[in-house]
Amino acid sequence: ETGVTQTPRHLVMGMTNKKSLKCEQHLGHNAMYWYKQSAKKPLELMFVYSLEERVENNSVPSRFSPECPNSSHLFLHLHTLQPEDSALYLCASSQGGGLQETQYFGPGTRLLVL
Amino acid sequence: QKEVEQNSGPLSVPEGAIASLNCTYSDRGSQSFFWYRQYSGKSPELIMFIYSNGDKEDGRFTAQLNKASQYVSLLIRDSQPSDSATYLCAVEKRRALTFGSGTRLQVQP
Repeated sequence: ETGVTQTPRHLVMGMTNKKSLKCEQHLGHNAMYWYKQSAKKPLELMFVYSLEERVENNSVPSRFSPECPNSSHLFLHLHTLQPEDSALYLCASSQGGGLQETQYFGPGTRLLVL
Repeated sequence: QKEVEQNSGPLSVPEGAIASLNCTYSDRGSQSFFWYRQYSGKSPELIMFIYSNGDKEDGRFTAQLNKASQYVSLLIRDSQPSDSATYLCAVEKRRALTFGSGTRLQVQP
């Protein structure tokens, strides 16, 4: 497989469930990102990891917990979510997490919280 | 003021025409600017990036940057129906991108 992959592609969960989103990049990049895209709103940055260290946490509620075990994998652990958390969650990666780098996006996980 | 502003559209142009998409940004210190295209239900895909003032051309696409006016645009020449999508302007800020809400482009056959 090439590029950035995400699983699952679709997820429906109740507010009391715990689930995890997975992202994997096959580009040899060192930086990975989580974005949230809600209907009618711009893409919102959630987390940035560079060389497996979190370098940005954009005031995201603690019910979202990221994990980056290595430079190729990124997880987003979800627990006790709210219906307003329903959105498209996009993972992206870039070469090194520095300036002037192109980010490449995965296909996204469409999440519905009931 | 939004950090990155785009007209939501839809911008409707006939096939073969030039489509002009505009974006303004608030952070004068921004250095890198990106245009992504997003088809309905799909993830964003990079079209172009631009770092320096002036024009940058790639095939049918031209990005224009004016840092003094804090303005970046994307021109699409010879527009095709397959160009119909939402175009997202993104501005780099502290290692990550701040996106506009996007402009929906409709190319009429």
